[in-house]
Amino acid sequence: DAKTTQPTSMDCAEGRAANLPCNHSTISGNEYVYWYRQIHSQGPQYIIHGLKNNETNEMASLIITEDRKSSTLILPHATLRDTAVYYCIVRVLTGANSKLTFGKGITLSVRP
Amino acid sequence: NAGVTQTPKFQVLKTGQSMTLQCAQDMNHEYMSWYRQDPGMGLRLIHYSVGAGITDQGEVPNGYNVSRSTTEDFPLRLLSAAPSQTSVYFCASWNLGGTEAFFGQGTRLTVV
Repeated sequence: DAKTTQPTSMDCAEGRAANLPCNHSTISGNEYVYWYRQIHSQGPQYIIHGLKNNETNEMASLIITEDRKSSTLILPHATLRDTAVYYCIVRVLTGANSKLTFGKGITLSVRP
Repeated sequence: NAGVTQTPKFQVLKTGQSMTLQCAQDMNHEYMSWYRQDPGMGLRLIHYSVGAGITDQGEVPNGYNVSRSTTEDFPLRLLSAAPSQTSVYFCASWNLGGTEAFFGQGTRLTVV
């Protein structure tokens, strides 16, 4: 599995957009980019995933560069409840190698 | 749907004791896995299974055994607990080819 690189931490003001970067320069053609978050040491929660097109759902947007070597998770209007550790993961969808491998993630702190 | 259920939520063991952490899912997912999370770290994969009767080792399998006799259950056994196994343990499940992994709420294990 390709490894990902994320900053250790960042913060943003409540109500502003939070842009969380991730580098995955060795990603393979069949690997997807996934984002999960973990709040207060609860079990991780799925946010969004994508292959090469930008994706949006009710939680966030995912922007993947054309060369697929990096991506950005965007929380459009961050709230205090978005304070969490965010994990960027690359994985294939099928087979025994479709396991999720977590790095240390990025700690997002949303300030009032 | 209950999703992924882990029991117990908290456990204290003495060094050398054995115990089984339970994980059950009611979503008919093929893929199940166990992770441990130590303070300030991401989740590390212990063992995983791609279906009943099939298991394999993850990053940190030593000291743990698993079996998968049914689709629903994936117990994790500590054969002889050691203080180094003090951690929070998460179970996860998803469909092979599916997009979203579901996590349990964790088991907080302390070995004294």
